[in-house]
Amino acid sequence: NAGVTQTPKFQVLKTGQSMTLQCAQDMNHNSMYWYRQDPGMGLRLIYYSASEGTTDKGEVPNGYNVSRLNKREFSLRLESAAPSQTSVYFCASSEPGMSNQPQHFGDGTRLSIL
Amino acid sequence: ELKVEQNPLFLSMQEGKNYTIYCNYSTTSDRLYWYRQDPGKSLESLFVLLSNGAVKQEGRLMASLDTKARLSTLHITAAVHDLSATYFCAIYGGATNKLIFGTGTLLAVQP
Repeated sequence: NAGVTQTPKFQVLKTGQSMTLQCAQDMNHNSMYWYRQDPGMGLRLIYYSASEGTTDKGEVPNGYNVSRLNKREFSLRLESAAPSQTSVYFCASSEPGMSNQPQHFGDGTRLSIL
Repeated sequence: ELKVEQNPLFLSMQEGKNYTIYCNYSTTSDRLYWYRQDPGKSLESLFVLLSNGAVKQEGRLMASLDTKARLSTLHITAAVHDLSATYFCAIYGGATNKLIFGTGTLLAVQP
């Protein structure tokens, strides 16, 4: 059972470099999310996609862009990485309307920006 | 501003003891979730609480929800080392299934 798959698992970038974090889910969920996790701050929502073809900003969207490529895939792009974007990034998915089901999370991408 | 506050932020307890983690939130929500995270790992869903007075139990963990007080509790009974992890509560902040997370409670169970 794959669930939510994120790639890569680890990445080190230099300031100013760009990269895309990939996320795919095989649960046929309509909604997908990107969070970042920093020590002592819980998880904060960066962007979300309520359904295929739609994306919206979350709590901390600055410096990021997203693409909902299809129902399965939701990518997060850092155009010009900054040290403040060093964090652990989690992708999640859920099915709207099924309130008894939680969001399902991937294993995370640990990103360091030097 | 939507806020979810957990306390304590850090809890060191001995095996066999009982303790409660508290989750307070600032806005009306009819859905509250508890997650567990082991170091370096993903978040694992523990409980989904959907109504006032809801109580769910799994092993040594029991979660409850009081929507009128905007409070959820996660009670640990006779703690064992395997329960050592970070526990997060989260509520829905509005439409489109956006979750607002608490800062987490790091639980360390000492032998």
